[in-house]
Amino acid sequence: AQKVTQAQTEISVVEKEDVTLDCVYETRDTTYYLFWYKQPPSGELVFLIRRNSFDEQNEISGRYSWNFQKSTSSFNFTITASQVVDSAVYFCALSEDSGNTPLVFGKGTRLSVIA
Amino acid sequence: DAMVIQNPRYQVTQFGKPVTLSCSQTLNHNVMYWYQQKSSQAPKLLFHYYDKDFNNEADTPDNFQSRRPNTSFCFLDIRSPGLGDAAMYLCATSRDDMGGLNNEQFFGPGTRLTVL
Repeated sequence: AQKVTQAQTEISVVEKEDVTLDCVYETRDTTYYLFWYKQPPSGELVFLIRRNSFDEQNEISGRYSWNFQKSTSSFNFTITASQVVDSAVYFCALSEDSGNTPLVFGKGTRLSVIA
Repeated sequence: DAMVIQNPRYQVTQFGKPVTLSCSQTLNHNVMYWYQQKSSQAPKLLFHYYDKDFNNEADTPDNFQSRRPNTSFCFLDIRSPGLGDAAMYLCATSRDDMGGLNNEQFFGPGTRLTVL
């Protein structure tokens, strides 16, 4: 069965600090997809990234970067030089390739960036 | 802009009084989802439509039903809301053509349901 663990429930950082959000997943499939979503106070989930299991290259998008390591089943998300607007709940999610399996979310990490 | 729209944003109903939440999309996506999200929890999938095919999650209560009259619209019906059904209800869409549900989902702003 698939499972996503986000061990950090809440994190607080001061503006301009770097912060890493951890995500560890479990799956028996060899083909799967990993996602990060951001949920700001307004409530809408915003898609950030999708990564398939065959692509282990790290990705950088502006201040955001993702570190995918199959050896440790982790897909960690780093925000560099955090800003107050980054304050939100961040969800990591997993989708297996086999059949009609839905997205499984982790419990989320609430990030507070303090000015 | 193409988007996922949910109406209303806030809904108040009485215990046991049926309520319908609506979702529409301009993305022309073939898959539509309904999630329930309670406070400080992850979204929980209730069901989804893959094209016209309805897929119910095993633990979704019978109290929750859905309709998808066309590609653009999807409704969530709660037949007899209980206090435990108070939550944020999120609609999402995706474009999936290979039989799986592996592409990114686009979410609406949600409807916050209060049950009195």
